[in-house]
Amino acid sequence: GESVGLHLPTLSVQEGDNSIINCAYSNSASDYFIWYKQESGKGPQFIIDIRSNMDKRQGQRVTVLLNKTVKHLSLQIAATQPGDSAVYFCAENPSRSQGNLIFGKGTKLSVKP
Amino acid sequence: EPEVTQTPSHQVTQMGQEVILRCVPISNHLYFYWYRQILGQKVEFLVSFYNNEISEKSEIFDDQFSVERPDGSNFTLKIRSTKLEDSAMYFCASSDRGDQPQHFGDGTRLSIL
Repeated sequence: GESVGLHLPTLSVQEGDNSIINCAYSNSASDYFIWYKQESGKGPQFIIDIRSNMDKRQGQRVTVLLNKTVKHLSLQIAATQPGDSAVYFCAENPSRSQGNLIFGKGTKLSVKP
Repeated sequence: EPEVTQTPSHQVTQMGQEVILRCVPISNHLYFYWYRQILGQKVEFLVSFYNNEISEKSEIFDDQFSVERPDGSNFTLKIRSTKLEDSAMYFCASSDRGDQPQHFGDGTRLSIL
């Protein structure tokens, strides 16, 4: 099991650089994936989603890549800004009809001005 | 933009007491969820609710927990006899379908003394 006070992986980038946050998911039957951003004291905020019939999806300044062969997701943030500093979680939906999400452990993104 | 609202933002309760956490999901959404996040750890699924009944629950959601949609707008989580280990952030979420993005509230911080 996990220990209390789990230490989050941290990614530190310079403002203006691109960021890549990685996530490994657990269930090969999962067919829907979401990236969330969580700022301190706030709830998870939806960023972008992708279904298993796609391997890439783009949003505004963000791109999600899905590699089902190795059960890997990544979130790319272009031209990272200080406001992007937060904890980023990937989440998988192993049960399409129910929608209960399984969250990953999170990555803390710190943007240096 | 419509949002999920949760009250109270912080609840302090003596061990053994009952607490009710309240949520107002986004108005046209049909699927409702509760998650919890123990400090420093990842977000964990508790329960999903659709068509006035529980559709799925995790092993965390034991007999001490219950959910209710008492009217057309509120969705509540009740913990019957709180324990120290129930201390966490509790997030409510809603979606319009089970395979659509879930939108989260900013949570209720529950502190059990």
